[in-house]
Amino acid sequence: QQQVKQSPQSLIVQKGGISIINCAYENTAFDYFPWYQQFPGKGPALLIAIRPDVSEKKEGRFTISFNKSAKQFSLHIMDSQPGDSATYFCAASKRDYKLSFGAGTTVTVRA
Amino acid sequence: EADIYQTPRYLVIGTGKKITLECSQTMGHDKMYWYQQDPGMELHLIHYSYGVNSTEKGDLSSESTVSRIRTEHFPLTLESARPSHTSQYLCASTTGSLTGELFFGEGSRLTVL
Repeated sequence: QQQVKQSPQSLIVQKGGISIINCAYENTAFDYFPWYQQFPGKGPALLIAIRPDVSEKKEGRFTISFNKSAKQFSLHIMDSQPGDSATYFCAASKRDYKLSFGAGTTVTVRA
Repeated sequence: EADIYQTPRYLVIGTGKKITLECSQTMGHDKMYWYQQDPGMELHLIHYSYGVNSTEKGDLSSESTVSRIRTEHFPLTLESARPSHTSQYLCASTTGSLTGELFFGEGSRLTVL
């Protein structure tokens, strides 16, 4: 049973454009929501994370928006660059040190 | 860059062989994990350990086994590999913080013929 649903499966964006990836969850016990970035041949690496007590967190060109009532959160990549081409995973965890991951979104940024 | 290492990176073996995937970290993390990753699918937690001599099965049932005899070492073993075991296996570790960053190795891609 997939605990975190992620969409779209893939997206293509022009350089300078905005990439938006959405995730939804059902378990209200989740209280930590990170995003991981994975390049081909590498393991995922933490990109940015949010707790449910805030609605938005921004780090450089990456922003997480969090809607607790809708049980949804999203990643926005502003001014997308070719180096952002990667697979992005949303994830969620309860206070048990275990992450549940979404299925991933492959982002391709065209120059 | 994270100090967590997996070997082998790639392995092609025949059905019925025993294999061990190695994972080592030099960060002194107590908590270590094995995830299975198939193309276009989420990472599935198959094993985790919160310290030496402590191992638990994850959310996805797996025929593999793990051991944690030393803090830095968390190997995964398949006694008799089958084609259904073909996948990428990712090892990870983290500190004791509830929101601690998960550090991943580069993965071991296993193909069972």
